[in-house]
Amino acid sequence: DADVTQTPRNRITKTGKRIMLECSQTKGHDRMYWYRQDPGLGLRLIYYSFDVKDINKGEISDGYSVSRQAQAKFSLSLESAIPNQTALYFCATSENAGLAGHEQFFGPGTRLTVL
Amino acid sequence: AQKVTQAQTEISVVEKEDVTLDCVYETRDTTYYLFWYKQPPSGELVFLIRRNSFDEQNEISGRYSWNFQKSTSSFNFTITASQVVDSAVYFCALSETFGGNEKLTFGTGTRLTIIP
Repeated sequence: DADVTQTPRNRITKTGKRIMLECSQTKGHDRMYWYRQDPGLGLRLIYYSFDVKDINKGEISDGYSVSRQAQAKFSLSLESAIPNQTALYFCATSENAGLAGHEQFFGPGTRLTVL
Repeated sequence: AQKVTQAQTEISVVEKEDVTLDCVYETRDTTYYLFWYKQPPSGELVFLIRRNSFDEQNEISGRYSWNFQKSTSSFNFTITASQVVDSAVYFCALSETFGGNEKLTFGTGTRLTIIP
């Protein structure tokens, strides 16, 4: 079974709809992240959480919100989806480290299309 | 602020040729980590390598090798005797600890196509 799972894998929705993307992990990692990938732009950080009580904005948090329901679960919400939020979304996890530099483990991605 | 530049947007080579993917980074930290990830056509992100800023020794893993040069802020990735299965988008990334928070910054990626 995959260590980091994302649901749904694909979603098509309409402008103005509320959407939730879910991420679960069985790696026991404290740190979780949400990224979006757009062609030619690489991956950009939306939000990150270093433990259940910790939520931080990333590079492009406007229009998004997150919830860390448990160590293993980190959800990303689009309160009112717009077409330029069409992208591939990745969840990732990493160990909580005294030293920086632990690799991040990525989920399979969610392809979101906003019409 | 930290930044990662992958100037090669797309590269195509014929199978069995060697190919080098360039990565140049900017950081104000003295302690940082560099990564390479592979994204095959199936879309998942696969971790390839991590290198810390204190270890400039080059690394070889099978057909893959990495050249880290702090003097030029580069962390280049070479594939020797390329194969069709190497076709993917490759991302270089930089992690630094700023204010106690660790962040990973990705380059824009290089799409590598291996022509049979």
